[in-house]
Parts: sequence; C-alpha cells; structure tokens
Amino acid sequence: EDQVTQSPEALRLQEGESSSLNCSYTVSGLRGLFWYRQDPGKGPEFLFTLYSAGEEKEKERLKATLTKKESFLHITAPKPEDSATYLCAVQAWQAGTALIFGKGTTLSVSS
Amino acid sequence: NAGVTQTPKFQVLKTGQSMTLQCAQDMNHNSMYWYRQDPGMGLRLIYYSASEGTTDKGEVPNGYNVSRLNKREFSLRLESAAPSQTSVYFCASREDGSSAEAFFGQGTRLTVV
Repeated sequence: EDQVTQSPEALRLQEGESSSLNCSYTVSGLRGLFWYRQDPGKGPEFLFTLYSAGEEKEKERLKATLTKKESFLHITAPKPEDSATYLCAVQAWQAGTALIFGKGTTLSVSS
Repeated sequence: NAGVTQTPKFQVLKTGQSMTLQCAQDMNHNSMYWYRQDPGMGLRLIYYSASEGTTDKGEVPNGYNVSRLNKREFSLRLESAAPSQTSVYFCASREDGSSAEAFFGQGTRLTVV
C-alpha cells in the first residue's frame, strides 16, 4: 500500500533558526513527489515537484531534496510569514493520476 | 484567471439532508479530484475523474457520489448527510497524463449537525 508519513507533526522555530521537515514515502513506483504549503482557511498551494533521487529544488528560503525513501524540506533562516502547514504528496505510477498526501507538518515561526 | 472555484464556502446541514458541492476549473484540465481534510488526518481522496465521463473511487468514497458534468465541472453529492461527514472539502484539478502539480480550490467547510 502506498503511504506517506511526515514528521514532525508540529515544529516551532525562532526567526532565523533553520530546520528541516521530513517526508518518508512507500510507493511501488514513484512518478513524482510534491510539496505544498497550506495557510489556515486556504487551499494547498504548490511549492515543488521532485521526480528522481538526488534532485533538489529551491525557492527563496525553501529547498526540497529527494532520496529513494524520503524527501526533506529545508527552511533556511525562516521568517514569521513562513508559518503554515507543509504537505507532502506522492504520485505512484500504479495509482494513475491521483496524489496521496501525508498528514502535514505545521510550522510556527516566532519573531 | 480564477483557477479552481468551489461553492459554497460554508454550509451547515442537518443529519439526513442532502446537498451538492460544486467545483469548476478554467484551466482546461482533464483530471479533477475531491478530497476531504480532517484534523490529524491530512487530505484523503474521495473520488477523482481522469477525464470527462469517467469517475473512480478514492480512499474514502462511502456516502458520496460524484458527477463529471463536463470538462470544467465536477460535483460532489451527499445524499444523506451524517455527522461523520463534517469536514473541509477541497476540489483540485491538474493536467492529464502527467506528473504536473494539482491546483486546489479554497475549500468548502461543511458541518453536519
């Protein structure tokens, strides 16, 4: 069964304190791994897609990396506006076009 | 460019009532999805439609029906609402046959009392 596990469930950081969020996945064949950001009361907003082990993508203070078993979302020198829930999702070849989501990591950054 | 539009944004139902959640996208995507999001459970797939005229069950389809009215619209119907269906519902769409990202609507917050 395809599964996505995110850790930690919640993370509190001080402004400027870098850290990483983890997304472990089990799929029979990975077609793509996705990171989304979700603000309270809003729909998820796309951040990155990673396709193969070793791939990295960056956007402002965020950097996503991928191995054969997990993905990390590194947050460098976070600001309060980075506070949100970060969701990881995978698309497996066998599942067709559907995305399977993890439960998310809620990040709080205080000034 | 509106993207994915869901209506209504909020709804309160009594147990046993029925309602339809509407979703429309203007990006000419073939694939559309309905998810529900509950505290501590993440996003769970209810139904999806890979193309106009086709629908498939996801992880939690019981108690729901869907209609892919045309390429733009994908509706979710609750025939007899139950308190367990209290949730936030999200519609999404994406390009067909690729690993492109999905675009989400703003959600419908449904409470069944």
